[in-house]
Amino acid sequence: EIVLTQSPGTLSLSPGDRATLSCRASQSVSSSYLAWYQQKPGQAPRLLIYGAISRATGIPDRFSGSESGTDFTLSISRLEPEDFAVYYCQQYGSSPTFGGGTKVEIK
Amino acid sequence: EVQLVESGGGLVQPGESLRLSCVGSEFTYRVYWMSWVRQAPGKGLEWVATIKQDGNEKQYVDSVKGRFTISRDNAKNSLSLQMNSLRAEDTAVYYCARARWGLVASQFSWYFDLWGRGTLVTVSS
Repeated sequence: EIVLTQSPGTLSLSPGDRATLSCRASQSVSSSYLAWYQQKPGQAPRLLIYGAISRATGIPDRFSGSESGTDFTLSISRLEPEDFAVYYCQQYGSSPTFGGGTKVEIK
Repeated sequence: EVQLVESGGGLVQPGESLRLSCVGSEFTYRVYWMSWVRQAPGKGLEWVATIKQDGNEKQYVDSVKGRFTISRDNAKNSLSLQMNSLRAEDTAVYYCARARWGLVASQFSWYFDLWGRGTLVTVSS
């Protein structure tokens, strides 16, 4: 099983700031099969990024994904009020597993 | 509106059974793999099970193998999860999700591009 470790656990930022979220895999993720989701309280997750770098339909271009070996990053260029939420990474290079999440909160 | 709607959650005692259902609308349901993903209260996400378009291939997380059964009815755009021998650790919100596949060394895996709002299953005496 591939274990995904997300950091930091909580990110305290202000609207307009840049957010950088990390997801580290315990082993190589085949074919860059990594996705990112956003979840707000009481809501279902929403797909943001798949294939490590591809934005899902309707996702603003302030969201971007990148990869370096077993390290994956979700960047939000300028935080909007609606971006404060919990973010999860998920690998699908083997049986699906999720990271523990990063909460982006208002500072 | 493209959506998934779950139903069937509730409170059950340990060892009992429960059947969850999900109905999809406004998309071509039969061409997609479909999945269940759960989230224990205050915790992260856990993939539970996935079923192929024709229902002939099913995959499960180890913790539910032999207890849970995923099935589908393409004529009704529906997905089900039969949960037997429920345990306290199965307590969670269960989400129905549309699955998009990736293929590595002849093994499928999935990410999830459409989610329902979830249904809460509570296992407690």
